[in-house]
Amino acid sequence: GAVVSQHPSRVICKSGTSVKIECRSLDFQATTMFWYRQFPKKSLMLMATSNEGSKATYEQGVEKDKFLINHASLTLSTLTVTSAHPEDSSFYICSAKGGLAATYEQYFGPGTRLTVT
Amino acid sequence: AQSVSQHNHHVILSEAASLELGCNYSYGGTVNLFWYVQYPGQHLQLLLKYFSGDPLVKGIKGFEAEFIKSKFSFNLRKPSVQWSDTAEYFCAVSLVSGGYNKLIFGAGTRLAVHP
Repeated sequence: GAVVSQHPSRVICKSGTSVKIECRSLDFQATTMFWYRQFPKKSLMLMATSNEGSKATYEQGVEKDKFLINHASLTLSTLTVTSAHPEDSSFYICSAKGGLAATYEQYFGPGTRLTVT
Repeated sequence: AQSVSQHNHHVILSEAASLELGCNYSYGGTVNLFWYVQYPGQHLQLLLKYFSGDPLVKGIKGFEAEFIKSKFSFNLRKPSVQWSDTAEYFCAVSLVSGGYNKLIFGAGTRLAVHP
């Protein structure tokens, strides 16, 4: 199957700093990429959907100025957590699919554990 | 709001026992349904999916799920589990919102299979 990577896998940062997480589709072109957040013992919560070359669509309640998403190419999307605070500590997961239709499978990355101290 | 409910948060079984994990969704329109699995230390993988046709779908590793439209359910089953099935299982519904297909996930069920 298709492979999606994330970098870094773990990051610890100080409160007030910004952190960038990369999501790459390694062997296919990802028309659409998604960013999720997973809280302990809870489900994946969709944060935003991004298409290559266009602005991301954020879910209700997700601050677009805090969670900056860039989908600059068909194989790379980045999530930047700006001015991070301890409450932003979480597990962030990206996924990618090769087309817009529901029939295209979403392939998930391994996730990035963010800890803000 | 659309939601997905998984009834069991933790399930513990012995090898060879039968498995059924419940999943219900709340959405009145056309849905596509999925079960994903996350093995320890690994990323989410698709187990099976339903788009249309036969409501009984078969997935990888001997798993199957049945879509019952009248009950808004998509329960996952396996007749005989193995130790290697220890993982977390997520039910998901695909909806069209804002022109995009997006997945709504259930809270997950953690399955532990003892030898």
